[in-house]
Amino acid sequence: AQKVTQAQTEISVVEKEDVTLDCVYETRDTTYYLFWYKQPPSGELVFLIRRNSFDEQNEISGRYSWNFQKSTSSFNFTITASQVVDSAVYFCALSENFGNEKLTFGTGTRLTIIP
Amino acid sequence: DTAVSQTPKYLVTQMGNDKSIKCEQNLGHDTMYWYKQDSKKFLKIMFSYNNKELIINETVPNRFSPKSPDKAHLNLHINSLELGDSAVYFCASSQVRSRSTRIHRLNYGYTFGSGTRLTVV
Repeated sequence: AQKVTQAQTEISVVEKEDVTLDCVYETRDTTYYLFWYKQPPSGELVFLIRRNSFDEQNEISGRYSWNFQKSTSSFNFTITASQVVDSAVYFCALSENFGNEKLTFGTGTRLTIIP
Repeated sequence: DTAVSQTPKYLVTQMGNDKSIKCEQNLGHDTMYWYKQDSKKFLKIMFSYNNKELIINETVPNRFSPKSPDKAHLNLHINSLELGDSAVYFCASSQVRSRSTRIHRLNYGYTFGSGTRLTVV
């Protein structure tokens, strides 16, 4: 069965600091997809990134970057120069390709950026 | 244009009532889902439909019945509401290929609706 672990329940950092959110996953499939979603206080789920298991290249998008390491089954998310608007709950999720298409979510990390 | 829209956004109702939440997507996706987010923010899938066919039913009480009249709509009907049903319900859609093929399928990612906060009193 697939499983996603986000060990950090809550993180607080001062604005402009860098912060990394950890995500560790378990799956029996060799083909799978990993996701990050942001849930701001308003409640909607905002898609940030999707990565398939064949692509281990790290990705950067503005202040956001993602480090995918199959050897450690991790897909960590870093925000550089954090801003107050980054305060939210962040979810990592896993979808196995050959099976049903459900997303298995981690329990989320609540990130608070202190001005 | 909203890609995945849910109505209502808020729903407050008494125990024992029956209520429905509607979901529509205009992305042309062939798969739709219902997820439940509990008070601790934990997100878990409830149902999935692919082209109006139920493909996932994750040990959800029989009081919950999804209905998909066409592939752009997936509604959720809840009978005899209980206090424990209070949660945020998210609809989502994605584009995947037919389950009948073993060819590598591309999951084009999920799009979620904005959620329906259900409060049972």
